[in-house]
Amino acid sequence: DQQVKQNSPSLSVQEGRISILNCDYTNSMFDYFLWYKKYPAEGPTFLISISSIKDKNEDGRFTVFLNKSAKHLSLHIVPSQPGDSAVYFCAASKAGAGSYQLTFGKGTKLSVIP
Amino acid sequence: IAGITQAPTSQILAAGRRMTLRCTQDMRHNAMYWYRQDLGLGLRLIHYSNTAGTTGKGEVPDGYSVSRANTDDFPLTLASAVPSQTSVYFCASRLNRAPYNEQFFGPGTRLTVL
Repeated sequence: DQQVKQNSPSLSVQEGRISILNCDYTNSMFDYFLWYKKYPAEGPTFLISISSIKDKNEDGRFTVFLNKSAKHLSLHIVPSQPGDSAVYFCAASKAGAGSYQLTFGKGTKLSVIP
Repeated sequence: IAGITQAPTSQILAAGRRMTLRCTQDMRHNAMYWYRQDLGLGLRLIHYSNTAGTTGKGEVPDGYSVSRANTDDFPLTLASAVPSQTSVYFCASRLNRAPYNEQFFGPGTRLTVL
């Protein structure tokens, strides 16, 4: 049973346009959500996160939106740049889980076309 | 050393052999994690350790063991490798300071079991 789902394996966007990456989750106990970016042959790097007490968090060109009722979050990248081309993983965790284990989605490969 | 290091970078291993993947962090993070990444499956947690001296099982622990003798090191051992353990392995660490759940990842070890 996949608890974190990224239903789009890939996404192509023109440079300068908005990239929107989506993520759905099924476990209502999740209360903290993260996005990681991964380049080939490198480890994932933390991008941005959001607590379930918020519905939006912004950091420069990156904004994450959380819709708890729909169990849905999205990552917006504006404007998109060729260097943003990477695989993006959505992850979720729940407080009180002790280890704060992260459950990852399968990832979405973003290609920003110059 | 800065951050998390993993060794080896890559390895080709005969089935049935024993292999230890090394992970060292210098950030004094309490928690450490091992993930495997397989195409189309995202990152899956193998084992974790909340603090030195303790370990726990993740989503896919079978065939793997870990130890946490000190804060900095978290080796992953495959006692008798099988081809299905061909994967890219990532070590991660986290400072236990709620509510911040960001995990920091190493560069990965690419393991091929023949």
